[in-house]
Amino acid sequence: GIQVEQSPPDLILQEGANSTLRCNFSDSVNNLQWFHQNPWGQLINLFYIPSGTKQNGRLSATTVATERYSLLYISSSQTTDSGVYFCAVQVEGGGSNYKLTFGKGTLLTVNP
Amino acid sequence: NAGVMQNPRHLVRRRGQEARLRCSPMKGHSHVYWYRQLPEEGLKFMVYLQKENIIDESGMPKERFSAEFPKEGPSILRIQQVVRGDSAAYFCASSPIGHTGELFFGEGSRLTVL
Repeated sequence: GIQVEQSPPDLILQEGANSTLRCNFSDSVNNLQWFHQNPWGQLINLFYIPSGTKQNGRLSATTVATERYSLLYISSSQTTDSGVYFCAVQVEGGGSNYKLTFGKGTLLTVNP
Repeated sequence: NAGVMQNPRHLVRRRGQEARLRCSPMKGHSHVYWYRQLPEEGLKFMVYLQKENIIDESGMPKERFSAEFPKEGPSILRIQQVVRGDSAAYFCASSPIGHTGELFFGEGSRLTVL
């Protein structure tokens, strides 16, 4: 099956810093989503971004499908950004391409 | 437009009891997916349902687990005779079309088995 690798696995920032999280995947995809799981365990949809660039406030994401990676940018980080960031993909084609395969996540800690 | 609603948010069961988790998809969505997150792991696919149909249950354990999405009412994930290894967060997602496209996730139901 498809492999989804996220880096770094852990990241500690001071409030106000910027960061870039990376997601590499091993096969062609027709869906890529970024999620934030907050410290209370809630899963929050951030971006649906199979290709191109999107921005939402201090967060933006870019997916380069031909090179099989996606980047999530967090600018001016805040303590509320802490949590685990997951990348998830759906494989292009095939009979079960509705399944999302998740990476192991990046644990982000933003200190005041 | 309300999001995907899951309940209960937290459920505690003793070994051998039954757990029932409910999921109401977003309005207009007829495709429901269940995912499980074991401690310290990412989410893994369990089952994909449409109204009155199980499309793919390949990720669901063969025994004790079942899922349904009736014509009326929420989708139900049922776990019979729970064991400690069933302790996990169970997430439901919905989509307006199947087989591709964005999935919208609920906040999850956390099952603890004592």
